[in-house]
Amino acid sequence: DGGITQSPKYLFRKEGQNVTLSCEQNLNHDAMYWYRQDPGQGLRLIYYSQIVNDFQKGDIAEGYSVSREKKESFPLTVTSAQKNPTAFYLCASSFRLAGGNEQFFGPGTRLTVL
Amino acid sequence: AQSVSQHNHHVILSEAASLELGCNYSYGGTVNLFWYVQYPGQHLQLLLKYFSGDPLVKGIKGFEAEFIKSKFSFNLRKPSVQWSDTAEYFCAVIPYSGAGSYQLTFGKGTKLSVIP
Repeated sequence: DGGITQSPKYLFRKEGQNVTLSCEQNLNHDAMYWYRQDPGQGLRLIYYSQIVNDFQKGDIAEGYSVSREKKESFPLTVTSAQKNPTAFYLCASSFRLAGGNEQFFGPGTRLTVL
Repeated sequence: AQSVSQHNHHVILSEAASLELGCNYSYGGTVNLFWYVQYPGQHLQLLLKYFSGDPLVKGIKGFEAEFIKSKFSFNLRKPSVQWSDTAEYFCAVIPYSGAGSYQLTFGKGTKLSVIP
């Protein structure tokens, strides 16, 4: 089955620690995205990538970093610089980076900072 | 940059009632529009989308939405809701081309609770 997988489903982190969230897709999509979802806030774009070895900041990139070494993978690192990291993180992908391309979402990772 | 406004934060309906969730966007150019749904404990999934053509779009599970360009609106409707429609609904817009065409902008969501 084609789709997007995210791991882990739940993640707990101590303050001051970096943590990496995994996102893999087998849809052969060029574009990938990371969103953060907070209650009552909708989804906000953290980073996006148009193609391998290329990525750009979204609206709320501070305290986050990404890499895109393979087409299938777009891991997100939540660094200790992120002041309020507890949230639900969603990864998405689309065929191309542009309007007219539907984005497909993974199941999400819920990160809790203790 | 584009923005999306969803009028209701929380809607409570009885089963068989009709549903209309409001969505307005701000952007001067051509857009693609989406409604996503997030059922409790499940991931975000596409309910319906508008790219071009007939402004009345039909989606899954009996949902439909009407794009009214003059009003910058894309309201979601369902004639008769069921308990299983309890979920959070998100409207989203993306410019078809040009500046910001990479960015899918979401509204803040509307929680729908259907009472049996």
